Amino acid sequence: EDKVVQSPLSLVVHEGDTVTLNCSYEVTNFRSLLWYKQEKKAPTFLFMLTSSGIEKKSGRLSSILDKKELFSILNITATQTGDSAVYLCAVRGNEKLTFGTGTRLTIIP
Amino acid sequence: DVKVTQSSRYLVKRTGEKVFLECVQDMDHENMFWYRQDPGLGLRLIYFSYDVKMKEKGDIPEGYSVSREKKERFSLILESASTNQTSMYLCASSPSLFSSYEQYFGPGTRLTVT
Repeated sequence: EDKVVQSPLSLVVHEGDTVTLNCSYEVTNFRSLLWYKQEKKAPTFLFMLTSSGIEKKSGRLSSILDKKELFSILNITATQTGDSAVYLCAVRGNEKLTFGTGTRLTIIP
Repeated sequence: DVKVTQSSRYLVKRTGEKVFLECVQDMDHENMFWYRQDPGLGLRLIYFSYDVKMKEKGDIPEGYSVSREKKERFSLILESASTNQTSMYLCASSPSLFSSYEQYFGPGTRLTVT
């Protein structure tokens, strides 16, 4: 059975801090790993990673995948209150996405 | 922009009622998915469909059925709603099942069964 584990479950930091969110996985026939941000409603797509060691970057957010050690990290630098959300990691195996339970990030002004 | 819409944002139903949740996507995607999201459990796949009239069970199909009569529309049916089906239901679509494309999500339907 495919499995995705995210840590920490929740994180509270001050505005301006840098955070690192973790995602480890076990999946049959790995195809890709995806990060989503979920605020009050639907998850919105952030990154898709398929190759090890290649950093994906979008503004203050970046992510990298390690296919040998089976994990990914999502970094957010200079955090802002608008970064407060649940961050979901999902891994695509043979047919479907398996999601982790998410990391709830709260940014204190 | 891909748009995935769901018929209701909030729904309150009584135990034993038949419930229909509708999802429509406008990007001609082959694949559509229904998830439920519960605190501490993350998103769990109920059913998915990779073509019209095709459906596959996900991780938690019990108590649910689906219908896909047209490519753009994927319905989730609760034949006899129960209180343990109170949850947030999210529909998603993606262009290709056997590639690495991301899934696009609808806004969700918060269903309460009393």
